[in-house]
Amino acid sequence: DQQVKQNSPSLSVQEGRISILNCDYTNSMFDYFLWYKKYPAEGPTFLISISSIKDKNEDGRFTVFLNKSAKHLSLHIVPSQPGDSAVYFCAARPYNTDKLIFGTGTRLQVFP
Amino acid sequence: GAVVSQHPSRVICKSGTSVKIECRSLDFQATTMFWYRQFPKQSLMLMATSNEGSKATYEQGVEKDKFLINHASLTLSTLTVTSAHPEDSSFYICSAREGFGGYEQYFGPGTRLTVT
Repeated sequence: DQQVKQNSPSLSVQEGRISILNCDYTNSMFDYFLWYKKYPAEGPTFLISISSIKDKNEDGRFTVFLNKSAKHLSLHIVPSQPGDSAVYFCAARPYNTDKLIFGTGTRLQVFP
Repeated sequence: GAVVSQHPSRVICKSGTSVKIECRSLDFQATTMFWYRQFPKQSLMLMATSNEGSKATYEQGVEKDKFLINHASLTLSTLTVTSAHPEDSSFYICSAREGFGGYEQYFGPGTRLTVT
């Protein structure tokens, strides 16, 4: 049972435009949501997070939005750069646990 | 800061042998370390959580006798795949968390295990 889902396996965006990566979850018992970026044969690197009590968090070109009623979060990257091309994972932490539950990832390709 | 290393980055072993993978936090003390595996084009699946000085907690479906985890110090955790089989071939990634109560995990670069 996939509790964290990324329904788009891939996304292609032109350089300079906005990239929007989406993530849905089925369990209301998450207190933090995180986005990670991963290159092939490397470990994920942390990008940005959001607490379940917030609805927006911004860090430079990256903004994460959380819609709790829809159980949906999104990562906006603007402006997109070719170096942003990677696989992006959303992750959620259940309350009172150490775990992170990862989505299946979305491959973002930013073309010139 | 918050650098996690893994060794080896790539290993090929014969079926039936054991392989040890090391995970180190280089510039912080990791009270908790996590081991994940990732199959091609799939998500990272948590295998186990280990706290320094105590036994690891394994996720459902993960054989603790096959995947031995030792977290002997605040900067080192090891995963030993015992009696490896071709189906154990995967990308193994560790992560570490500093202190208690935080949520952010810092990931190592991963180890590609191929069992022939």
